[in-house]
Amino acid sequence: AQKITQTQPGMFVQEKEAVTLDCTYDTSDQSYGLFWYKQPSSGEMIFLIYQGSYDEQNATEGRYSLNFQKARKSANLVISASQLGDSAMYFCAMRAYTGANSKLTFGKGITLSVRP
Amino acid sequence: NAGVMQNPRHLVRRRGQEARLRCSPMKGHSHVYWYRQLPEEGLKFMVYLQKENIIDESGMPKERFSAEFPKEGPSILRIQQVVRGDSAAYFCASSPLGPPRSGANVLTFGAGSRLTVL
Repeated sequence: AQKITQTQPGMFVQEKEAVTLDCTYDTSDQSYGLFWYKQPSSGEMIFLIYQGSYDEQNATEGRYSLNFQKARKSANLVISASQLGDSAMYFCAMRAYTGANSKLTFGKGITLSVRP
Repeated sequence: NAGVMQNPRHLVRRRGQEARLRCSPMKGHSHVYWYRQLPEEGLKFMVYLQKENIIDESGMPKERFSAEFPKEGPSILRIQQVVRGDSAAYFCASSPLGPPRSGANVLTFGAGSRLTVL
């Protein structure tokens, strides 16, 4: 079974500054993927970034980067140069590749508010 | 290339009625997942389907809930005899049949169907 832990309370960041959203995970699988999704107030789920457990490089997608520390089982999301539109809920999720296309397991999410 | 389409976006039902939520996956995607989100909570897995097959229904309540993904047409999540506790946002996601270890296996979500039970 997989477990995702997101324990930070609501996060606040000043516009144009960087922010790190924490995520730790627990799994006995050796092969897995880690994902971050954004959920703005409108409610849709937007995929941000993916990291495979065997990827040697940390994933980056524009202003998003994933600080992957496999030994510590952490997959923190770093948002650089925050924008007002980054205010949203952020969910960390993982998927164990024990078989093709197994389910995503989500954390409870972190609320990020960007201040002007 | 349209994304994952869910309808209705909002559904109001009285206790005891039935709710049917529909999901059309992205073109080329053969895997469908249903998730439920209660207020202030993360998404909880309900069921994973391929065409005409339920692959994993470990998150589905044992009673009143059912899901299908027929050979033709959208996937349907059906809730019979709804109760107030069924009020939630129900998300559908789809993914292609891709190499399991690649980012191509990203789940793309629909905008969700918000069920309110009066």
